[in-house]
Amino acid sequence: AQTVTQSQPEMSVQEAETVTLSCTYDTSESDYYLFWYKQPPSRQMILVIRQEAYKQQNATENRFSVNFQKAAKSFSLKISDSQLGDAAMYFCAYRNYGQNFVFGPGTRLSVLP
Amino acid sequence: DAGVIQSPRHEVTEMGQEVTLRCKPISGHDYLFWYRQTMMRGLELLIYFNNNVPIDDSGMPEDRFSAKMPNASFSTLKIQPSEPRDSAVYFCASSFNRQETQYFGPGTRLLVL
Repeated sequence: AQTVTQSQPEMSVQEAETVTLSCTYDTSESDYYLFWYKQPPSRQMILVIRQEAYKQQNATENRFSVNFQKAAKSFSLKISDSQLGDAAMYFCAYRNYGQNFVFGPGTRLSVLP
Repeated sequence: DAGVIQSPRHEVTEMGQEVTLRCKPISGHDYLFWYRQTMMRGLELLIYFNNNVPIDDSGMPEDRFSAKMPNASFSTLKIQPSEPRDSAVYFCASSFNRQETQYFGPGTRLLVL
């Protein structure tokens, strides 16, 4: 069975600095998708970024980028120029073509002014 | 697009009562997912539908839980009878085939006394 691990229950970053959230996963599949979702205090789950496993190029969305290491089964999220609004729970998620969607336990990010 | 719509946003009920949670997916999406989020267990997939047909309900905790999708624009998750351990935030999400990104509703916060 696929599993997703986020080894950092909590992280903090100074405003305007850069932070990296780690995620590892376990799968025997070769084609799949990886996601980072953000959950602010409002509880809404918001898609931050996604990566297709067949793409070697790392996905980027403005201040958010990933470091996808397929062989190592690692999928970290880098947030540059951190803002107060980035404070939230961040969930790493895996999904294969069989629609089996698995979430990690989450990392709580605090942004310090 | 209005996004995924869930109702009610908050529900407080007494043990033994029936609870019905509702979801309207994004128009055109053919996958619908129900999740439960608790502090102890994180985000759990309960059941998902494809074209209104339940595909995998292995995450449904017990027979007290049931889900239906009578048409492409409406789904319900019912708990009967409810128990205090059912207290959680319940999310509905939808996705469009081949796009593989799930869009979440705002969630229903359920408290069973």
